[in-house]
Amino acid sequence: DGGITQSPKYLFRKEGQNVTLSCEQNLNHDAMYWYRQDPGQGLRLIYYSQIVNDFQKGDIAEGYSVSREKKESFPLTVTSAQKNPTAFYLCASSMWDRGYTEAFFGQGTRLTVV
Amino acid sequence: AQTVTQSQPEMSVQEAETVTLSCTYDTSESDYYLFWYKQPPSRQMILVIRQEAYKQQNATENRFSVNFQKAAKSFSLKISDSQLGDAAMYFCAYLWGGSEKLVFGKGTKLTVNP
Repeated sequence: DGGITQSPKYLFRKEGQNVTLSCEQNLNHDAMYWYRQDPGQGLRLIYYSQIVNDFQKGDIAEGYSVSREKKESFPLTVTSAQKNPTAFYLCASSMWDRGYTEAFFGQGTRLTVV
Repeated sequence: AQTVTQSQPEMSVQEAETVTLSCTYDTSESDYYLFWYKQPPSRQMILVIRQEAYKQQNATENRFSVNFQKAAKSFSLKISDSQLGDAAMYFCAYLWGGSEKLVFGKGTKLTVNP
């Protein structure tokens, strides 16, 4: 089945550690996104990528990094520079074609700093 | 910059009644897509309905319909015959093909009362 897979579902990080969240899609979508969700904040865009080897900062990129070496994969690294990383992280992908477009989401990763 | 505004943080409706969720957006583009997503307690984002900006006809999906007012940059979601399973967070989103940046509003929490 086509879809987006995020892993792990739950992730615990110690203060000062970097952690990487995985996002893989087999929908052949060009664009991929990372969002952070906090209570009352909605979905805030961290990074997005339209094509392989290219990505753009979203509204809250500080303390995060991404790579897009393959069309299918868009991992997010939460670095130690991110001061408040505890949140729910959602990955999405989309395809744009005039006359048709779609955007799908993974099931999310809950990151907790311990 | 494109922005999406949902002015109702919370809404409630009686089972079997109709409710309308509001969304406005700001863009200078003419060719874009608008979406409504539902996020139940499982936190899996589910696409409810999408609207192509170049289409004048309002999109409908069973009990869900939109009122798309392009000149007013308004995109409201109407849920008819509300069911208990409709209780969720609802997010309005905008996607422009030029940047493929998918932007969300802060969401509206819908409660359905039996």
